[in-house]
Amino acid sequence: EAEVAQSPRYKITEKSQAVAFWCDPISGHATLYWYRQILGQGLELLVQFQDESVVDDSQLPKDRFSAERLKGVDSTLKIQPAELGDSAMYLCASSAGGPATNEKLFFGSGTQLSVL
Amino acid sequence: QKEVEQNSGPLSVPEGAIASLNCTYSDRGSQSFFWYRQYSGKSPELIMFIYSNGDKEDGRFTAQLNKASQYVSLLIRDSQPSDSATYLCAVRVDTGRRALTFGSGTRLQVQP
Repeated sequence: EAEVAQSPRYKITEKSQAVAFWCDPISGHATLYWYRQILGQGLELLVQFQDESVVDDSQLPKDRFSAERLKGVDSTLKIQPAELGDSAMYLCASSAGGPATNEKLFFGSGTQLSVL
Repeated sequence: QKEVEQNSGPLSVPEGAIASLNCTYSDRGSQSFFWYRQYSGKSPELIMFIYSNGDKEDGRFTAQLNKASQYVSLLIRDSQPSDSATYLCAVRVDTGRRALTFGSGTRLQVQP
């Protein structure tokens, strides 16, 4: 079964360093999402792509976060500089589109970020 | 007010009992509703989705939707210890922004 690939699985970094996460969605999925989940909390949408275009990045802290999906396939999420409060699970998800009523998101395994 | 609200739990039920998980949402324009299960340290996986008022059954799971009351629930019959997880309610408002808005989840513990 096709899966959403994410790497690295774990990342430990020091405050003020730069970090980057990579996501490869299921082949053919036009929509890609980056969510952040702080321990014990729900998922917070950071950015949504439709092909290579950003559809929604209203919750992305643009002073330190950036995201790109240059060829409309895989995507990179970057944080520079990292702060202690960025420690969280970063989840990538993709969907094939279709009717919004039953459009399903498929999640990758996530990247667990710890900022020391 | 949060857009999607869930009781954080933990909700503890004995094995074999019915677990009832509840979710309320604030946006009356919400059109589709999803339940995801998330085991500790793992990514969410879709259990069910519903978009019409009433009940939708899939095996031991039943999703219930009441748009007038802005309420969606998930019933798990014959609960098993393997059902112990956090259950996330997610809502989509189809305004072109197709991202799901998630609640903070309810932690379910099924006691053997």
